[in-house]
Amino acid sequence: DGGITQSPKYLFRKEGQNVTLSCEQNLNHDAMYWYRQDPGQGLRLIYYSQIVNDFQKGDIAEGYSVSREKKESFPLTVTSAQKNPTAFYLCASRNRGQETQYFGPGTRLLVL
Amino acid sequence: QQQVKQSPQSLIVQKGGISIINCAYENTAFDYFPWYQQFPGKGPALLIAIRPDVSEKKEGRFTISFNKSAKQFSLHIMDSQPGDSATYFCAAGSVNSGNTPLVFGKGTRLSVIA
Repeated sequence: DGGITQSPKYLFRKEGQNVTLSCEQNLNHDAMYWYRQDPGQGLRLIYYSQIVNDFQKGDIAEGYSVSREKKESFPLTVTSAQKNPTAFYLCASRNRGQETQYFGPGTRLLVL
Repeated sequence: QQQVKQSPQSLIVQKGGISIINCAYENTAFDYFPWYQQFPGKGPALLIAIRPDVSEKKEGRFTISFNKSAKQFSLHIMDSQPGDSATYFCAAGSVNSGNTPLVFGKGTRLSVIA
């Protein structure tokens, strides 16, 4: 069964805590992306990676960090510096030179 | 120049009617224009996409109209059904420049009422 998996589906964060969202793909895609979705705000790009061991900041990278040590994995850490982390987080992937970008099922992050 | 402007923000259509969502872009380097459909609590899924060498693409009840000179494209949903109720995002990107991220509109929440 191919695709993008995100875990957990729901995540709760306490004040001052760092949390990590998992994103794994078995599509053999080169590029992976993290988006944040808030009501009425559309999809805002946090970070993206076009190749292993390389990544770039998106439009709203402050308070987030990523790593890309393996082609199939692109975890996102929401740090304590992110003051308003409550949102729906979407991971996506795409292959070089191909059009279609696929999305995972998302992780909803809530603050306790 | 990287923005994609989408309208309307929300749309209510009677069952059987036509739903129309519009998008406009500025960057002439864009050469790929997809539409995504998202149901509540789910990730977006590709619905239909167009390249600028054609002015229209139809897949079932869904049609993209593309106006290169006006830098606008739109999604038409014919015979709209309650099951079409979802949020729709337009996007734009450049396939030829590699895997640079797609730029998304802010979304349109469509409600189809019986």
